[in-house]
Amino acid sequence: AQSVTQPDIHITVSEGASLELRCNYSYGATPYLFWYVQSPGQGLQLLLKYFSGDTLVQGIKGFEAEFKRSQSSFNLRKPSVHWSDAAEYFCAVVVNGNKLVFGAGTILRVKS
Amino acid sequence: GAVVSQHPSWVICKSGTSVKIECRSLDFQATTMFWYRQFPKQSLMLMATSNEGSKATYEQGVEKDKFLINHASLTLSTLTVTSAHPEDSSFYICSASPGHTGNQPQHFGDGTRLSIL
Repeated sequence: AQSVTQPDIHITVSEGASLELRCNYSYGATPYLFWYVQSPGQGLQLLLKYFSGDTLVQGIKGFEAEFKRSQSSFNLRKPSVHWSDAAEYFCAVVVNGNKLVFGAGTILRVKS
Repeated sequence: GAVVSQHPSWVICKSGTSVKIECRSLDFQATTMFWYRQFPKQSLMLMATSNEGSKATYEQGVEKDKFLINHASLTLSTLTVTSAHPEDSSFYICSASPGHTGNQPQHFGDGTRLSIL
């Protein structure tokens, strides 16, 4: 079955430090992949998406992600984290045409 | 662009009450809308997929008579939790997509926190 694994439940980084959130997927075909961010008590905001083409995709708020087929990964990165980036981040893959399967999420804490 | 409005944002009601949650796409036509449930500190679980003008498709284990979904127009879908009980308390989130295919991103509402007393 298709699945998404986010191995880190919590990550804490210092403000200004670089960030990488891990995501691994299990899917037979070329996946459609997404990263969403959720602030407490709110819905999800799309950060970026990968469908095909260039494996390094740029998103909003300075985030980027790299699709690596050989590693079945789609890790999210940001070179310098801001305190406002503290939130929960979800990786997701499209299955069965248009349904999203989400990872368990990674909570990012930013310390000053 | 791609704004989805969900209302209400918070509902507290007595056990046995039916609760309706609205999901509207404000600046695009939503061919497909999705309803999710999120338990505390957990990920989103898809409940059902609805296409405008047709019956919703429910995920395995989701009671369609308990969670009534209507998608009567291209900008509005509603989820009605019928005869709600405390175990139905959760965070419900809708999303909307302008197409049927996976390369059309889903845009999410801000969610509805439902508390049944």
